[in-house]
Amino acid sequence: DVKVTQSSRYLVKRTGEKVFLECVQDMDHENMFWYRQDPGLGLRLIYFSYDVKMKEKGDIPEGYSVSREKKERFSLILESASTNQTSMYLCASRVRDKTNEKLFFGSGTQLSVL
Amino acid sequence: GNSVTQMEGPVTLSEEAFLTINCTYTATGYPSLFWYVQYPGEGLQLLLKATKADDKGSNKGFEATYRKETTSFHLEKGSVQVSDSAVYFCALTLNFNKFYFGSGTKLNVKP
Repeated sequence: DVKVTQSSRYLVKRTGEKVFLECVQDMDHENMFWYRQDPGLGLRLIYFSYDVKMKEKGDIPEGYSVSREKKERFSLILESASTNQTSMYLCASRVRDKTNEKLFFGSGTQLSVL
Repeated sequence: GNSVTQMEGPVTLSEEAFLTINCTYTATGYPSLFWYVQYPGEGLQLLLKATKADDKGSNKGFEATYRKETTSFHLEKGSVQVSDSAVYFCALTLNFNKFYFGSGTKLNVKP
């Protein structure tokens, strides 16, 4: 079965710190995604990547950047963490096949910015 | 634009009760529709999907029918179990790169 692994389950950082959230998938999926999940707002897309070194902004990219140097790894970077970035961050991946829309999710990283 | 609206929770039911979670959507084309489920402490998992109008998705006793005329994809189950307690998300995609999710509905099933 596909496994999407996020490096940390809980993370506490201070305002202004640079934060890296890592996501690794083991099924050679082309597409990878970063979402944040907030109560009452559901999942909102931050960035997605459709191949190595390829990325596109999602709906809420401000304050974030991403890196995809290898196919299996998609990193989310908070350049200077702020308290309004306290959230649950979910990584997902899928195979780039128009007949298969299924997303596979990691278990999430709960980030607290103090 | 594209968006998904689902009923606010939490929804609290007794075991063996009938479940309906409402979901409606707006889309600029012909979307594929999904229900995802998130159990406590886990990521989201695909529960069921429907890719065109009048399709019915089903899995684990859950069903949802893609209704183009009412732009709806309501989730139903005839008899819920305690193990169904989770957060349920309705979602759509048009181009397989952007998936639009609803705000989630928490279901609590009491024994």
